[in-house]
Amino acid sequence: DAGVTQSPTHLIKTRGQHVTLRCSPISGHKSVSWYQQVLGQGPQFIFQYYEKEERGRGNFPDRFSARQFPNYSSELNVNALLLGDSALYLCASSLQGAREKLFFGSGTQLSVL
Amino acid sequence: GQQVMQIPQYQHVQEGEDFTTYCNSSTTLSNIQWYKQRPGGHPVFLIQLVKSGEVKKQKRLTFQFGEAKKNSSLHITATQTTDVGTYFCLYDGTASKLTFGTGTRLQVTL
Repeated sequence: DAGVTQSPTHLIKTRGQHVTLRCSPISGHKSVSWYQQVLGQGPQFIFQYYEKEERGRGNFPDRFSARQFPNYSSELNVNALLLGDSALYLCASSLQGAREKLFFGSGTQLSVL
Repeated sequence: GQQVMQIPQYQHVQEGEDFTTYCNSSTTLSNIQWYKQRPGGHPVFLIQLVKSGEVKKQKRLTFQFGEAKKNSSLHITATQTTDVGTYFCLYDGTASKLTFGTGTRLQVTL
């Protein structure tokens, strides 16, 4: 069975642009969460979705948005990119929600120039 | 507000020595999970602790959840070079914000 897949693996953007990151959860998993990890730091929680509804949101500006589709895949959108948005963006899936084992994808490395 | 401190930030041990990392919370936690992230990799689930005073073992790894559910520890006996990485605790914070501890980076040398 496939694990959590994220695309693209690497991305280079310039300031002010918009980016969309994609995540496909493990088959049967209904919850997806997104994290930002800056080099040398721990992952920071951005969003959690379960059954297409937002269940939790971290301390990120409104430039960050996400959604979950009927097939449980998810997109993370970031508008008006800033240099400080450069990071590894991780997606994790779980069967139902927050208090369960999380399976992480390999992440999307975003560089903003 | 809720604060969770993970200590130490970094530890360098000789292979065969023991290692412990701690997560300490100012408030009661409903549960806590532990993850390991190898350099260049993504977090990998190790364990989940739910009950007060719970102790779980996985080979050389021992996980504990405090009686008051405010602290947790991960202890590795006789470290090996394969244990290198950063160990994070993860808890369900205020308003369902999944929060990682600051992490403990473990370096093991021969």
